[in-house]
Amino acid sequence: AQSVTQLDSQVPVFEEAPVELRCNYSSSVSVYLFWYVQYPNQGLQLLLKYLSGSTLVKGINGFEAEFNKSQTSFHLRKPSVHISDTAEYFCAVSDPAGGSYIPTFGRGTSLIVHP
Amino acid sequence: SAVISQKPSRDICQRGTSLTIQCQVDSQVTMMFWYRQQPGQSLTLIATANQGSEATYESGFVIDKFPISRPNLTFSTLTVSNMSPEDSSIYLCSATGGFDQPQHFGDGTRLSIL
Repeated sequence: AQSVTQLDSQVPVFEEAPVELRCNYSSSVSVYLFWYVQYPNQGLQLLLKYLSGSTLVKGINGFEAEFNKSQTSFHLRKPSVHISDTAEYFCAVSDPAGGSYIPTFGRGTSLIVHP
Repeated sequence: SAVISQKPSRDICQRGTSLTIQCQVDSQVTMMFWYRQQPGQSLTLIATANQGSEATYESGFVIDKFPISRPNLTFSTLTVSNMSPEDSSIYLCSATGGFDQPQHFGDGTRLSIL
């Protein structure tokens, strides 16, 4: 079964600074990778996904992520954050080839943007 | 993308009672899921809601405690039975058109048991 590690439970950053939220997963031949954002009192919404092709994936709200197969990572980045980016971010991985069709979610990273 | 309506948004219940949460999708979807999310923690999959048949439960969750129905492709319910304070949590419904597609989530039901 797949496992997902989000090493940072909380990432504080100042407004307009760059940010990287880390996500690593257990090894597999091919995986589907997702980043979701959860604002307070809301469900999760998709930021971006990687299924195949280009390893650099661009999502909504200026976020992007890079799939690194050798390091089994899918880190999320944004060059300049806004106060409104304060939220919980979840990485999710599914491994259809390995039989794990339903995504496994990481524990989440709380991004806190300070003015 | 699918829009999911989940009701109720929150409730406070007495221990020993049951609550049914409804999830309505605005389009036909292949798969629907129910998750539990403890405050500040990740999502734990309770079960996959299967249309017209019994749900598929994950380890640690049983049908007697969390009966699930899915009478058609756009609607599902989760019942939390014989509630205890340990059941206090956020319950999330999600739906997707396929494993290579993202999941769409409802806003969740915030449940507190006294």
